[in-house]
Amino acid sequence: SQTIHQWPATLVQPVGSPLSLECTVEGTSNPNLYWYRQAAGRGLQLLFYSVGIGQISSEVPQNLSASRPQDRQFILSSKKLLLSDSGFYLCAWSVLGGGNTEAFFGQGTRLTVV
Amino acid sequence: AQKVTQAQTEISVVEKEDVTLDCVYETRDTTYYLFWYKQPPSGELVFLIRRNSFDEQNEISGRYSWNFQKSTSSFNFTITASQVVDSAVYFCALRSSNYGQNFVFGPGTRLSVLP
Repeated sequence: SQTIHQWPATLVQPVGSPLSLECTVEGTSNPNLYWYRQAAGRGLQLLFYSVGIGQISSEVPQNLSASRPQDRQFILSSKKLLLSDSGFYLCAWSVLGGGNTEAFFGQGTRLTVV
Repeated sequence: AQKVTQAQTEISVVEKEDVTLDCVYETRDTTYYLFWYKQPPSGELVFLIRRNSFDEQNEISGRYSWNFQKSTSSFNFTITASQVVDSAVYFCALRSSNYGQNFVFGPGTRLSVLP
């Protein structure tokens, strides 16, 4: 069966520090991968998605970047965190191809920038 | 453009009451897919249901039921005989074949079921 791992679960970082959140998927190949952010009490905002190794699409301009160094690994990074980067970050995967498949989410990382 | 609206920000009900969560979507595509997810306090999104645009048949799963109406672009979710464990944030989402691989989520509805 497929599983998705996301870590760390919680993170407190000072303003200006770097960030690296990692997500890996097991039990499937060539997945679509996504990073979403959820601000406190708000909906989900799509940050990045990837349909293959090295293929990253950004949905909104921001202080963050994403990379996909391996088929089932998706990394969210920042060189210098801002207070506004605080939030709940969720990684997700779906089957590559048509739209008739659901997304499966990791357990999320709660990031607090202080 | 793709858009999902969940007009109810928060709903509170007493246990055993029925509750309906509304979802209205916008898309120009003729083929699309609708989803409902549950986000309990732990934070992880749990997939509940997927519905294809060409299948308007309503679905029932235990205490959960979904009413899909293309004429009003709505995909509403009803919980019958609500329980405290149903307390969560519920998200409706849209995905279309012509809009790439992305899921567009509504803002969510926070449901509180009181004992």
